[in-house]
Amino acid sequence: QKEVEQNSGPLSVPEGAIASLNCTYSDRGSQSFFWYRQYSGKSPELIMFIYSNGDKEDGRFTAQLNKASQYVSLLIRDSQPSDSATYLCAANNNDMRFGAGTRLTVKP
Amino acid sequence: DVKVTQSSRYLVKRTGEKVFLECVQDMDHENMFWYRQDPGLGLRLIYFSYDVKMKEKGDIPEGYSVSREKKERFSLILESASTNQTSMYLCASSLYNGNTIYFGEGSWLTVV
Repeated sequence: QKEVEQNSGPLSVPEGAIASLNCTYSDRGSQSFFWYRQYSGKSPELIMFIYSNGDKEDGRFTAQLNKASQYVSLLIRDSQPSDSATYLCAANNNDMRFGAGTRLTVKP
Repeated sequence: DVKVTQSSRYLVKRTGEKVFLECVQDMDHENMFWYRQDPGLGLRLIYFSYDVKMKEKGDIPEGYSVSREKKERFSLILESASTNQTSMYLCASSLYNGNTIYFGEGSWLTVV
């Protein structure tokens, strides 16, 4: 079975700190990886995607991919209270599989 | 903007009823998906479809079926609803395999 695992959390960081979210996947055939944010009672929305090994930056967000280690991470710099949400990692190989999510709380 | 519309947001059904959850996307996407989301279990894939009249089982297809008669519409069917199917159901679509998937707003189903 294709599995995506995320650090269980919950994760709490102070405002302005860096939040680090981690994810591993079991399917070596996975080609693309995604981070989604989900607010309570809402559907997931895309933050960013990454296809190649290394880092990809978009504003305060940086995704990191290491295919050899089957590891994906998301760093959120200068965390804001509005970043408080559940973050979902997903891996794609013909279909999209999600982790259970990590709940992040940013405290003012 | 991509729009994925789930026609029923909140439903309450009785055990044994047949339930239809409808989903329509307006961006000519090839792929469509149905997930369910439960606390602590994350998003679990029920079925997906790459093309009209085509379907593939996901991780938890038991108790569900799907229909894709038109490209823009993907329906999830619970032939005989059971209480363990109480959940939030999310429909999603993507242009092609490997692309970003976009979610509908979700359908909250309670089976009593």
